[in-house]
Amino acid sequence: DAGVIQSPRHEVTEMGQEVTLRCKPISGHDYLFWYRQTMMRGLELLIYFNNNVPIDDSGMPEDRFSAKMPNASFSTLKIQPSEPRDSAVYFCASSPVAGSSYNEQFFGPGTRLTVL
Amino acid sequence: AQSVTQLGSHVSVSEGALVLLRCNYSSSVPPYLFWYVQYPNQGLQLLLKYTSAATLVKGINGFEAEFKKSETSFHLTKPSAHMSDAAEYFCAVRTGFQKLVFGTGTRLLVSP
Repeated sequence: DAGVIQSPRHEVTEMGQEVTLRCKPISGHDYLFWYRQTMMRGLELLIYFNNNVPIDDSGMPEDRFSAKMPNASFSTLKIQPSEPRDSAVYFCASSPVAGSSYNEQFFGPGTRLTVL
Repeated sequence: AQSVTQLGSHVSVSEGALVLLRCNYSSSVPPYLFWYVQYPNQGLQLLLKYTSAATLVKGINGFEAEFKKSETSFHLTKPSAHMSDAAEYFCAVRTGFQKLVFGTGTRLLVSP
């Protein structure tokens, strides 16, 4: 398997523009997570899905952020309108489920977003 | 609520020296604890995990961690550092089914 795939790897945009980040989880994984990493706040969980359904979006900063998972192999994180403070590295991760035990989260390489 | 605290944002060691990265946890229930590593420009990779079985957990690349309930600690160690160990290391605790909270990270610097 190719692992978790994220695109683009780098995105530079201007304030006010719409930004869409994309993620393809590992095939067969039931959970998908979106994280944001900054120097100031570290690694924060934004939202996660189980079987394409959003389970917890309490980490989404504000209404400018939205995430969707239309099918088991694709998810998007959208920021509209973008602001300079959204500049960060955004990670997607996925994990399988086996009974009630915890399973490892597999991270993608991240998208580095710069909002000017 | 469960949380982890990593002491020291940077740790510097010489190649061949002992590596010790500190993590303390706070949890009202028996915790599941993890160490992840992040190499430059890459995503996080699991090093090891504690899930209430053996208190000494061995991971990849020669790392291990010991769960000490009396000290609420889960420190990461490696007997002999290698240049390739230079990376950022994150401690994490499970806060819900499949949900993790990460520490602020410790950057390990290895000098020749």
